[in-house]
Amino acid sequence: DVVLTQSPLSLPVTLGQSASISCRSRQSLRHSDGNTYLNWFHQRPGQSPRRLIYGVSNRDSGVPDRFSGSGSGTDFTLKISRVEAEDVGVYYCLQGTHWPLTFGGGTKVEIK
Amino acid sequence: EVQLVESGGGLVQPGGSLGLSCAASGFSFSTQSMTWVRQAPGKGLEWVAFISGGSDTTDYAESVKGRFTISRDNSKNMLYLQMNSLRTDDSARYYCAGAIWSANDDYWGQGTPVTVSS
Repeated sequence: DVVLTQSPLSLPVTLGQSASISCRSRQSLRHSDGNTYLNWFHQRPGQSPRRLIYGVSNRDSGVPDRFSGSGSGTDFTLKISRVEAEDVGVYYCLQGTHWPLTFGGGTKVEIK
Repeated sequence: EVQLVESGGGLVQPGGSLGLSCAASGFSFSTQSMTWVRQAPGKGLEWVAFISGGSDTTDYAESVKGRFTISRDNSKNMLYLQMNSLRTDDSARYYCAGAIWSANDDYWGQGTPVTVSS
């Protein structure tokens, strides 16, 4: 199974500052069809997960442009610029290139 | 409005069985691959099972293979998860979701809790 390692585990941030979350895989997530199936999800306390980014860098409808995804191969990053209070919660990366599907362990974002 | 509403969770003894259901509405259910994802209390997300739109393909996490069965009834817009030989480490909130690995629209239910305990 593909292991996704997220860092940091916990990320205290100041309102208005930026935050970056890393997601690393031991093997390339580029599929033979040319796509990279790496998505990012956000889960607020007590809520279901919600996808933010699909295919490494494509923002879902309604997701603020403060969120951006980047990366390729084995290294991926979710960046939140100008963190707002509603951004708290746990962020997960998910890979769908190699089955079974696997999630990263999660990064908890909290406000300092 | 897209809705996924899970039901069927509850308390069951180790070794017992439980069947979860997920009622879908607001999108073309029969053309959408679906998944079950679970989350143990205080833990991260774990993919459990997948089924294609036409039910021709299914797949399971190794941890549930041979014990859980995913199925669907496209005539009723329903997704199911039959869980047998339940273990204490199967205790989690179970989410019904869409093709979460893809670029398809993102769908998640609110989850249904399953507790396996004597």
